[in-house]
Amino acid sequence: DTEVTQTPKHLVMGMTNKKSLKCEQHMGHRAMYWYKQKAKKPPELMFVYSYEKLSINESVPSRFSPECPNSSLLNLHLHALQPEDSALYLCASSQALDTQYFGPGTRLTVL
Amino acid sequence: GENVEQHPSTLSVQEGDSAVIKCTYSDSASNYFPWYKQELGKGPQLIIDIRSNVGEKKDQRIAVTLNKTAKHFSLHITETQPEDSAVYFCAAWTASGTYKYIFGTGTRLKVLA
Repeated sequence: DTEVTQTPKHLVMGMTNKKSLKCEQHMGHRAMYWYKQKAKKPPELMFVYSYEKLSINESVPSRFSPECPNSSLLNLHLHALQPEDSALYLCASSQALDTQYFGPGTRLTVL
Repeated sequence: GENVEQHPSTLSVQEGDSAVIKCTYSDSASNYFPWYKQELGKGPQLIIDIRSNVGEKKDQRIAVTLNKTAKHFSLHITETQPEDSAVYFCAAWTASGTYKYIFGTGTRLKVLA
């Protein structure tokens, strides 16, 4: 089973709202990732957690705040977003650091 | 910096024909090359991958070839079907402590019935 699940599937929020995206995997993978994908573009890496510790932050604005409560869960907390943050947010996981499995994504719209 | 060029950006084929997508990478230390298929509104799905110690890998109608000397790798889909229509991304990864895939820019494949 190579399933990564993400909730919610769609999210609409105003610029003053606070919301969270959730990601879960039960494959025992040690690394989890957040990506942002704009239309017709490849995914862009935002954060990497390895063994539940943040190991990479690709200079993402502080209005995006990741959290890894345990080895199976990854959250992305959103606050004071801008309309240009509207995108598909993808979670991925991997056992080693190469083969990544992606979730279905959360389609975020910021009004 | 490192990059991966992917061609073509769009590809239309008749059902039953073959499709080939090519990627060229710049980092000679890259040693893992996955291919992802992304359907509209969904996340990327890993369809095949290859490591640098292998020249070719096949899985039913899908195959990937790697030429390390030329630093390019290709995805081959035979007997294409309408459900193969999607965007395909290649990527390159280096086992040098980085967790980062360098993705290609994507190819939109349309299989015409």
